[in-house]
Amino acid sequence: DGGITQSPKYLFRKEGQNVTLSCEQNLNHDAMYWYRQDPGQGLRLIYYSQIVNDFQKGDIAEGYSVSREKKESFPLTVTSAQKNPTAFYLCASHLYGGRRTGELFFGEGSRLTVL
Amino acid sequence: AQTVTQSQPEMSVQEAETVTLSCTYDTSENNYYLFWYKQPPSRQMILVIRQEAYKQQNATENRFSVNFQKAAKSFSLKISDSQLGDTAMYFCAFMKHEESYGQNFVFGPGTRLSVLP
Repeated sequence: DGGITQSPKYLFRKEGQNVTLSCEQNLNHDAMYWYRQDPGQGLRLIYYSQIVNDFQKGDIAEGYSVSREKKESFPLTVTSAQKNPTAFYLCASHLYGGRRTGELFFGEGSRLTVL
Repeated sequence: AQTVTQSQPEMSVQEAETVTLSCTYDTSENNYYLFWYKQPPSRQMILVIRQEAYKQQNATENRFSVNFQKAAKSFSLKISDSQLGDTAMYFCAFMKHEESYGQNFVFGPGTRLSVLP
């Protein structure tokens, strides 16, 4: 079955460490996204990518970095510059156009806790 | 900038009853999409229902229907015959029509719905 796989599901990090969250999709979608979810705040966009080797900052990109070397993969690095990284991170993908415009497909999420 | 408001942080409903979740939004756009997404506990977020603003007819998907009031900028979700599997966080979301790539999704803060046996 096609879908989006995020790993790890749970991650603990010490302050000052960078960590990378994996996101892989086999839906052949062009666009991929990283969202941060905090209680009571909905989802906020960190980065998005519409095509391989290209990505754009979202609303809260500071302290994060991404790469898009392959269509299937969009890893997110949470750097030590991110001041409050403890959160739930969601990866999503989207296929342009068609009757399913606007339908984001989500992974199961990664919960990052900074100790 | 667009904003989406969900004024009910938590709701509960008895199994088999009907419940309505509220959503209001603010935009100066005329063409846009509205969505309800469902996030069950420890499971993936999925699309429940979508409404295109230029369509006057309210969208319906099985037990889920919306009441779209464009002038009032209101987009409520009605769940009929509630089932235990409907227990989840529900997010209302907005997307401008011409920006169909998705980078301008705006999500509300969510409503946590509990269906009680």
